[in-house]
Amino acid sequence: DTGVSQDPRHKITKRGQNVTFRCDPISEHNRLYWYRQTLGQGPEFLTYFQNEAQLEKSRLLSDRFSAERPKGSFSTLEIQRTEQGDSAMYLCASSLAQSSGLYNEQFFGPGTRLTVL
Amino acid sequence: QKEVEQDPGPLSVPEGAIVSLNCTYSNSAFQYFMWYRQYSRKGPELLMYTYSSGNKEDGRFTAQVDKSSKYISLFIRDSQPSDSATYLCAMILNTGNQFYFGTGTSLTVIP
Repeated sequence: DTGVSQDPRHKITKRGQNVTFRCDPISEHNRLYWYRQTLGQGPEFLTYFQNEAQLEKSRLLSDRFSAERPKGSFSTLEIQRTEQGDSAMYLCASSLAQSSGLYNEQFFGPGTRLTVL
Repeated sequence: QKEVEQDPGPLSVPEGAIVSLNCTYSNSAFQYFMWYRQYSRKGPELLMYTYSSGNKEDGRFTAQVDKSSKYISLFIRDSQPSDSATYLCAMILNTGNQFYFGTGTSLTVIP
């Protein structure tokens, strides 16, 4: 399967614990995005990378959240001191940005469902 | 006011019906308009995208964009039970970086 993969698929943790999620994009894709989706809502943009550079962060991304893409390939999203409000599906997407700047399709992974007890 | 508004439904139709899904938006700078389908506990998958105003057809699916009214639609003809899913509209500003999604409309097609 050459699509976007995410690990783990499900994570249950206790409030106050730290969690880390991993996303492996489609191999030739240079852009990687993180979204959060709560029940009954559409995905909300969190941040995106072009290669290893984090170019944009949403104000939704509090200082408890940090994302990295150290070698421009896979990415990790860490949440420190989790809160019950962090319970959501965390989606990763990747795309191949064109130099022309035209639209580039984002391919989504299956998501990591986080439950904070 | 949210950037993108979408009626969450749920919408239930008999097999073979024509389905109309709609979104409105407030930012006239949106340039690309997408429709995604999301099955339960899966990531969204792209159905169609349209640049600026106009219609686009792909099989049983037709996407319409009316930028003057800030209104987009997705029509599904001859709906099938396999079309049962949540349909999300999404839009991008002309910078092309951040997607803005609607809340999604839950559709059930009854055999």
